[in-house]
Amino acid sequence: NAGVTQTPKFQVLKTGQSMTLQCAQDMNHEYMSWYRQDPGMGLRLIHYSVGAGITDQGEVPNGYNVSRSTTEDFPLRLLSAAPSQTSVYFCASSSLGTGGSYEQYFGPGTRLTVT
Amino acid sequence: KQEVTQIPAALSVPEGENLVLNCSFTDSAIYNLQWFRQDPGKGLTSLLLIQSSQREQTSGRLNASLDKSSGRSTLYIAASQPGDSATYLCAAPYFGNEKLTFGTGTRLTIIP
Repeated sequence: NAGVTQTPKFQVLKTGQSMTLQCAQDMNHEYMSWYRQDPGMGLRLIHYSVGAGITDQGEVPNGYNVSRSTTEDFPLRLLSAAPSQTSVYFCASSSLGTGGSYEQYFGPGTRLTVT
Repeated sequence: KQEVTQIPAALSVPEGENLVLNCSFTDSAIYNLQWFRQDPGKGLTSLLLIQSSQREQTSGRLNASLDKSSGRSTLYIAASQPGDSATYLCAAPYFGNEKLTFGTGTRLTIIP
């Protein structure tokens, strides 16, 4: 299994440009999510999905869109990039395990710079 | 709202020492708590998942404990090695069981 994969690894955008960060998992996990990591602030949840066709907002959803048409893929779209969106973006997936717990698995991240 | 705190932010210890990393959380109604390791410029690697029914979970030289009543978890690393140098993050769920709130991490440096 490849686990959780993300593309691209690095991206530089100009303010106002749009782009899509790709995330895929091959573990048949129903739950997928996007986090951003900023220095001194830890990881914060952007959007999440509990299954194909179902998405919801996390802690910091403004400026981002998601959709989930398949179990495997969960792309994150930046509609009009802003310097405040400069960050490292992580995708994660999980499924319900024993004891009612979700163990989350993370991708390698996408480092985004908006100039 | 769940809040997770990790103290200290950075820790340096000589190789071979045993050490403890601390994590505290505000909402004790959790099903589990997860510890991660992050190397510079890399993603997060899951180390241990402790379920609420467990008090401890062990993997090799790592041992994690969970005390829901006090809102604390600890990660014990035995016989530390330079390869253990990394940032260690703990995360607890909120508003259900699948969304995580992260601490800001402890940056650990093992001195050879």
